[in-house]
Amino acid sequence: GQNIDQPTEMTATEGAIVQINCTYQTSGFNGLFWYQQHAGEAPTFLSYNVLDGLEEKGRFSSFLSRSKGYSYLLLKELQMKDSASYLCAVRDTGGFKTIFGAGTRLFVKA
Amino acid sequence: EAGVAQSPRYKIIEKRQSVAFWCNPISGHATLYWYQQILGQGPKLLIQFQNNGVVDDSQLPKDRFSAERLKGVDSTLKIQPAKLEDSAVYLCASSPPQDPGTQYFGPGTRLLVL
Repeated sequence: GQNIDQPTEMTATEGAIVQINCTYQTSGFNGLFWYQQHAGEAPTFLSYNVLDGLEEKGRFSSFLSRSKGYSYLLLKELQMKDSASYLCAVRDTGGFKTIFGAGTRLFVKA
Repeated sequence: EAGVAQSPRYKIIEKRQSVAFWCNPISGHATLYWYQQILGQGPKLLIQFQNNGVVDDSQLPKDRFSAERLKGVDSTLKIQPAKLEDSAVYLCASSPPQDPGTQYFGPGTRLLVL
């Protein structure tokens, strides 16, 4: 079956570092995405991993381990504007169907 | 570059009525997706088009939902008749041919069925 798990909510302090985990079980794998979604807005692309390892992009980094079915999104130097939902999504093989997790709501407090 | 356009942004209808949503993807994007996002959940793929052909509609409730992309550009999603549980945000997304996995989302249509 297809399953993507991520924590429902997390809280962190401004200026700190937070790691949002995602585990997945899918019939096929052709890449893992992280999207950011502010309340009432559409998701926006953050990162894409298809090979094992860490991809860094500014304050955001994403890690993938295909053998473990595991990824994390690392946010550094947290800002209040980082308060949002973070969606983990896995792309299937073939027709590029993408399956989304339920999202992790991150609250950044002062 | 203009983003994905959707209309209307909000819609309130009564159950058993019909409703239609429109999406215009980013120019040149061959792949178009319709998602349903219920409050507190991740987006669920309803249908995926490649140009004007359907790639995946396995999760589309075909007894009440229909979608078309006749000229391979803009698309409409229809619900007829609507049920209370159809209350959700309907997101349209598109992908460019050189990067078919990355999706660019429109602002969504927020539907409330009373």
